[in-house]
Amino acid sequence: KAGVTQTPRYLIKTRGQQVTLSCSPISGHRSVSWYQQTPGQGLQFLFEYFSETQRNKGNFPGRFSGRQFSNSRSEMNVSTLELGDSALYLCASSYMTGSDEQFFGPGTRLTVL
Amino acid sequence: DQQVKQNSPSLSVQEGRISILNCDYTNSMFDYFLWYKKYPAEGPTFLISISSIKDKNEDGRFTVFLNKSAKHLSLHIVPSQPGDSAVYFCAARAPLSGDDKIIFGKGTRLHILP
Repeated sequence: KAGVTQTPRYLIKTRGQQVTLSCSPISGHRSVSWYQQTPGQGLQFLFEYFSETQRNKGNFPGRFSGRQFSNSRSEMNVSTLELGDSALYLCASSYMTGSDEQFFGPGTRLTVL
Repeated sequence: DQQVKQNSPSLSVQEGRISILNCDYTNSMFDYFLWYKKYPAEGPTFLISISSIKDKNEDGRFTVFLNKSAKHLSLHIVPSQPGDSAVYFCAARAPLSGDDKIIFGKGTRLHILP
């Protein structure tokens, strides 16, 4: 069974631009969560989608948004990029929402210049 | 406001000895705790978990201990092996409160010394 895939793996953008990251969960998994990892803050929860609906949201500004498609693939969008948005963005999938074990993708490394 | 705290950013342990990684939490509604392991350039992988109704869970070389009164948990790895060198994240959930997102700590980097 293929794991969680994230595209692109690396991305360089400039301040003010917007970016869209993509995540394909493990086949059969319907829950997708997004996390931001930075050296100073560790892993911070962004949001979770289940069956195309946002179920949970972390404490991030409205510039961070996401969506989930009917095939459970998810996208995350960050508008008006700031230098502080440079981070590793991780996507995790699970069969059900609130599952104890999540399976993480390798992440997308975003650098904002 | 860090609800899950891993106060040691890094830890070095001799191969073959016991590694003890600590984690403290502040939210008394947390009732499920998890440990994840992360290698560079890879996403975290689930390692072991414990429910608040238990105080110990063991899986091979990995044991997690939970002290609810102290709001503290620890991960013991014995014996430590070179492949254990990674970043370990402690995480917690509060599903019974209706908010079941997983909250992660900042991680502890474990170095296993030869």
